[in-house]
Amino acid sequence: GNSVTQMEGPVTLSEEAFLTINCTYTATGYPSLFWYVQYPGEGLQLLLKATKADDKGSNKGFEATYRKETTSFHLEKGSVQVSDSAVYFCALSDPDNDMRFGAGTRLTVKP
Amino acid sequence: DSGVTQTPKHLITATGQRVTLRCSPRSGDLSVYWYQQSLDQGLQFLIQYYNGEERAKGNILERFSAQQFPDLHSELNLSSLELGDSALYFCASSRSDLYEQYFGPGTRLTVT
Repeated sequence: GNSVTQMEGPVTLSEEAFLTINCTYTATGYPSLFWYVQYPGEGLQLLLKATKADDKGSNKGFEATYRKETTSFHLEKGSVQVSDSAVYFCALSDPDNDMRFGAGTRLTVKP
Repeated sequence: DSGVTQTPKHLITATGQRVTLRCSPRSGDLSVYWYQQSLDQGLQFLIQYYNGEERAKGNILERFSAQQFPDLHSELNLSSLELGDSALYFCASSRSDLYEQYFGPGTRLTVT
């Protein structure tokens, strides 16, 4: 079945540092890929998505590229802020299966 | 604000009891999903309904059940509660299986 593996946290960075959170997937079909973010005390919010190979999703300075050859969808941001502190979830869905989420990566950004 | 509402926000109850969590999806969304989030198990998919019919089942215990009503709101029923059922329960909705899900703020259940 489909699955998502993302890098374990927690990740702690200083403000303005570069962020990468790795995500790889296993899927039998052609899934859509998503990054969700969960701020403290809140539900998950869609951060960005990509629906086909080589698509780049971007939002709020975050971006991720759908790489079919490496089955990856790594999240990157060039300069993180304290307000980016949250838990980040990679996810995939396809027409034949329910959405699968990674285990989540907790990011803490220190001033 | 995702447009998905969940009630109640917090629920404290005793072991052995039964509770009902309610979810109203975004306007126009036909699919409703339920998830359980606990510290040790992460985000677990429980069940999905599409336009009133059960579409997919995940790691849902037999003590748990759900339904989606004609107005598309959904309820998750948890019975014979155990301490280990303490968690955040999220509802999400989407237009269909192919689209992104929008999450509600969650219900925090504490079983004492």
